[in-house]
Amino acid sequence: EPEVTQTPSHQVTQMGQEVILRCVPISNHLYFYWYRQILGQKVEFLVSFYNNEISEKSEIFDDQFSVERPDGSNFTLKIRSTKLEDSAMYFCASSVVRENEQFFGPGTRLTVL
Amino acid sequence: QQQVKQSPQSLIVQKGGISIINCAYENTAFDYFPWYQQFPGKGPALLIAIRPDVSEKKEGRFTISFNKSAKQFSLHIMDSQPGDSATYFCAANTQGAQKLVFGQGTRLTINP
Repeated sequence: EPEVTQTPSHQVTQMGQEVILRCVPISNHLYFYWYRQILGQKVEFLVSFYNNEISEKSEIFDDQFSVERPDGSNFTLKIRSTKLEDSAMYFCASSVVRENEQFFGPGTRLTVL
Repeated sequence: QQQVKQSPQSLIVQKGGISIINCAYENTAFDYFPWYQQFPGKGPALLIAIRPDVSEKKEGRFTISFNKSAKQFSLHIMDSQPGDSATYFCAANTQGAQKLVFGQGTRLTINP
């Protein structure tokens, strides 16, 4: 069964460093998303991406964040200068069309020291 | 108004019992209500979803009940099993929007 994959599974970084989280969405999906989940809290939407551009973003997704689809398979989330409060589990998701169910990857745990 | 409120935070049910998790929302524009199941260290996985044109949807042991006038929906797990022990999230979104708005989650424990 096709699935969303994410790498790395755990990333440890120093405050102020740049990190890139990588995702491979399901191959025939057209919409891509990033969510985050701070430990013990709910899952929060960050951004959605369609047709090589951001289609929706939350107030969390400020100038420190960017997304890119550098090739036909990868979808990345970059955090330019990490803060302690960026420590969270980051989930990538994808869907065939906008109204359809979103399939989540296993997540990348980001720890900012 | 974009919030989805979920209760209880945690729930312990005996094996074979019925687990019930409730969610309430304010935004009447929400028109898609999925439930996600999350095991430790894994991403949320879609369990079952409903649109407001029906009041109930059943898939195996899992049922969503939807009350449009009360702006509430709930997940019922019949004959709960230890393998159902996980965190459950309700969510919602509006037609034309892409972001899912999640509830706070319910940690369900099924005792053998």
